[in-house]
Amino acid sequence: GNSVTQMEGPVTLSEEAFLTINCTYTATGYPSLFWYVQYPGEGLQLLLKATKADDKGSNKGFEATYRKETTSFHLEKGSVQVSDSAVYFCALPRDNTDKLIFGTGTRLQVFP
Amino acid sequence: EAGVAQSPRYKIIEKRQSVAFWCNPISGHATLYWYQQILGQGPKLLIQFQNNGVVDDSQLPKDRFSAERLKGVDSTLKIQPAKLEDSAVYLCASSGGGWATDTQYFGPGTRLTVL
Repeated sequence: GNSVTQMEGPVTLSEEAFLTINCTYTATGYPSLFWYVQYPGEGLQLLLKATKADDKGSNKGFEATYRKETTSFHLEKGSVQVSDSAVYFCALPRDNTDKLIFGTGTRLQVFP
Repeated sequence: EAGVAQSPRYKIIEKRQSVAFWCNPISGHATLYWYQQILGQGPKLLIQFQNNGVVDDSQLPKDRFSAERLKGVDSTLKIQPAKLEDSAVYLCASSGGGWATDTQYFGPGTRLTVL
């Protein structure tokens, strides 16, 4: 069945550094792919998504491209801020359903 | 537009006690999900409702967990009796249509500690 693997954290960066959080998936067909973010003390919120292969999702300076050749959906941001400190989850639907399977999460810590 | 509401935000109980969580989804959202998020892990689906009917409860430990969504709006999740391993954050989410491309909107969660 569908599954997702993301890099372990924590990722520690200085402000304005470049960010990459790796996410790879295994899936039947080409399901939608999601990145959710969880700020301290809050619930998850959708950061961006891509609904088909080769799509690029973007939001708040973050980007991720749905690459079917490498089965990846890596999250990137050119210049991180302290306010980006959070846990980031890669997710995709369980086989042909709307039920999401989440990765284990990657904690990002940005220092001034 | 109001988001997904959950209460309480925190709950501490002793093992073998019972506990209930409440969720109010975004107005008009037909699909409601309950997830369990254990510390250091991603959320895992417990149960999904479409309106007031259960769509999927295959991951719900039915010997101790129960959930209902009367009138297709609010939902409650109950644990009775609680075990130590139930300590987690319980997240409620809702979406408009239950499609694989739909965005799920999450509430702030209820952090349960079982002593």
